[in-house]
Amino acid sequence: AQSVTQLGSHVSVSEGALVLLRCNYSSSVPPYLFWYVQYPNQGLQLLLKYTTGATLVKGINGFEAEFKKSETSFHLTKPSAHMSDAAEYFCAVTSSSNTGKLIFGQGTTLQVKP
Amino acid sequence: EPEVTQTPSHQVTQMGQEVILRCVPISNHLYFYWYRQILGQKVEFLVSFYNNEISEKSEIFDDQFSVERPDGSNFTLKIRSTKLEDSAMYFCASSDEAGAGETQYFGPGTRLLVL
Repeated sequence: AQSVTQLGSHVSVSEGALVLLRCNYSSSVPPYLFWYVQYPNQGLQLLLKYTTGATLVKGINGFEAEFKKSETSFHLTKPSAHMSDAAEYFCAVTSSSNTGKLIFGQGTTLQVKP
Repeated sequence: EPEVTQTPSHQVTQMGQEVILRCVPISNHLYFYWYRQILGQKVEFLVSFYNNEISEKSEIFDDQFSVERPDGSNFTLKIRSTKLEDSAMYFCASSDEAGAGETQYFGPGTRLLVL
């Protein structure tokens, strides 16, 4: 079975500071990993994903994440937070089935202070 | 940019009533999904659907739930007899390919409240 744990349900940073949102996964098969963002009253939007190849993945809005197999992690980072980054962030892993079922973490709410 | 739409955005119903949640996936997508998120909990997979058949369903997706693609554009989730614990945000998603690694595009969700 696969699972995802996001450390920290709430993260608060100052505008311009580094954003680090943590995600650890458990998987008995090679994982495919995703970060989604949800702005208020909107659906989940894909930020980035790792499937195969380069372990450092760049996404939209200046975010990136690094797949570290040895640490079973896929942490999301952004060098400098912007007020518009305030949202809820979800890490997810696909199942081994062919349907692509996503298994989500519990989400992290990012607050950006001026 | 194409997007997944869902209606209604909010629905309030009485326990035991039937509800139908509607989704319009992105037009050239062939794979469809429903997820739900109970307040304060994880987003959970309910069901995936392809070629007019359920591909996979979770243990949550019991006989009270059904899905249908009644025409070429809509994808619906029906709950036959709602329970209090069905109160949640329901998300529809679609993708143009299936399998691990494919991007699923999500709608804004329908917030269902069962009284």
